[in-house]
Amino acid sequence: DIVMTQSPDSLAVSLGERATINCKSSQSVLYSSNNKEYLAWYQQKPGQPPKLLIYWASTRESGVPDRFRGSGSGTDFTLTISSLQAEDVAVYYCHQYHSTPRTFGQGTKVEIK
Amino acid sequence: QVQLVQSGAEVKKPGASVKVSCKASGYTFTDYYIHWVRQAPGQGLEWMGWINCNSGGTNVAQKFQGRVAMTRDTSINTAYMELNRLRSDDTAVYYCVRGETYWGQGTLVTVSS
Repeated sequence: DIVMTQSPDSLAVSLGERATINCKSSQSVLYSSNNKEYLAWYQQKPGQPPKLLIYWASTRESGVPDRFRGSGSGTDFTLTISSLQAEDVAVYYCHQYHSTPRTFGQGTKVEIK
Repeated sequence: QVQLVQSGAEVKKPGASVKVSCKASGYTFTDYYIHWVRQAPGQGLEWMGWINCNSGGTNVAQKFQGRVAMTRDTSINTAYMELNRLRSDDTAVYYCVRGETYWGQGTLVTVSS
């Protein structure tokens, strides 16, 4: 199984400041046949299902604000929120869909400082 | 628009079974797989498996093999997840998911004596 490890578990950031979440996979999530990283990022607010933010490691889902950016390759990935807004308070998960069992990171809770 | 509408909350006793439904609309049901993901209270996301809504073939996470059945009824565009021999640690919100993008609203299953 591919283990996904996020860091930190939680972080508090001032409004308008940058938030950075890291995700490390125990194996590569790259498919060499199409050169795509099978890595997604989700945002989850209380009482709601997760919302897809980023797929293919760096492609923003339609309608997601451009302050959300995904980057990375191989086994190391990052989600950056460039200017934190109040509505960004949530838990964020990375997720690999390269192979089964599909796996998720443990989540990172983002709060306002 | 794509929608996945799940059945309502359930309360079950240990040892019982539960069957959660997921009715799809807004797309051709048999063109996609449906995944099942669960989330225990205050915990992270756990992938349970998928069903190919065309062939009916399934891929169930090893943890759930022998205890989970994933089926579908193409005449009513509905996927099902049945979990048997319920334990208290099966208490969770169960989600059906299409691809990485579309999530059902979740079904809370509470297992309690």
